[in-house]
Amino acid sequence: QKEVEQDPGPLSVPEGAIVSLNCTYSNSAFQYFMWYRQYSRKGPELLMYTYSSGNKEDGRFTAQVDKSSKYISLFIRDSQPSDSATYLCAMSLGAGSYQLTFGKGTKLSVIP
Amino acid sequence: SAVISQKPSRDICQRGTSLTIQCQVDSQVTMMFWYRQQPGQSLTLIATANQGSEATYESGFVIDKFPISRPNLTFSTLTVSNMSPEDSSIYLCSVVSGPDTQYFGPGTRLTVL
Repeated sequence: QKEVEQDPGPLSVPEGAIVSLNCTYSNSAFQYFMWYRQYSRKGPELLMYTYSSGNKEDGRFTAQVDKSSKYISLFIRDSQPSDSATYLCAMSLGAGSYQLTFGKGTKLSVIP
Repeated sequence: SAVISQKPSRDICQRGTSLTIQCQVDSQVTMMFWYRQQPGQSLTLIATANQGSEATYESGFVIDKFPISRPNLTFSTLTVSNMSPEDSSIYLCSVVSGPDTQYFGPGTRLTVL
């Protein structure tokens, strides 16, 4: 079992749809959870990060962490064509450990 | 957040040669990292490069194959040595800037023939 599982997609949605992206993980010691957005031929861009369980909202984006289920989600409301990218989940042990463990990424296309 | 640049942005190299990738940050940072992103695979950490000390390599990566330099707090290089087609990948540097957050450079796309 890989440490972090992420459905690679591709996922195609119409403009304005709500998008749900998910990752599951096996290591219960992970404390910090991040979502990165990567446009084609670009480096990953930090979108959101969350410490431990709970929700965090930033504009159209909401990150959820459920540590009891070892499950994290990213919701995108009112999706736009500019949201078309690959979304990577990542997590770390925190407390001075900066090594990130990534999912493989989900490729999202928002169709106008 | 830190602004990170990498050179070259892409290169095509012959088997058996070496390529040095540069990473420049616009501010002083203690910790820099080098990652590899192979097609269809997760981003994988190669090594951690701290200024003033030897790089720390992850399992499966060795200094002879991926020598790293970190001469100051804004710059690092990664060399991919004696390349084979299996080394074709995107190589990314990242830095820690803020609490437990990492920012990535744009990547170097390497093709080995």
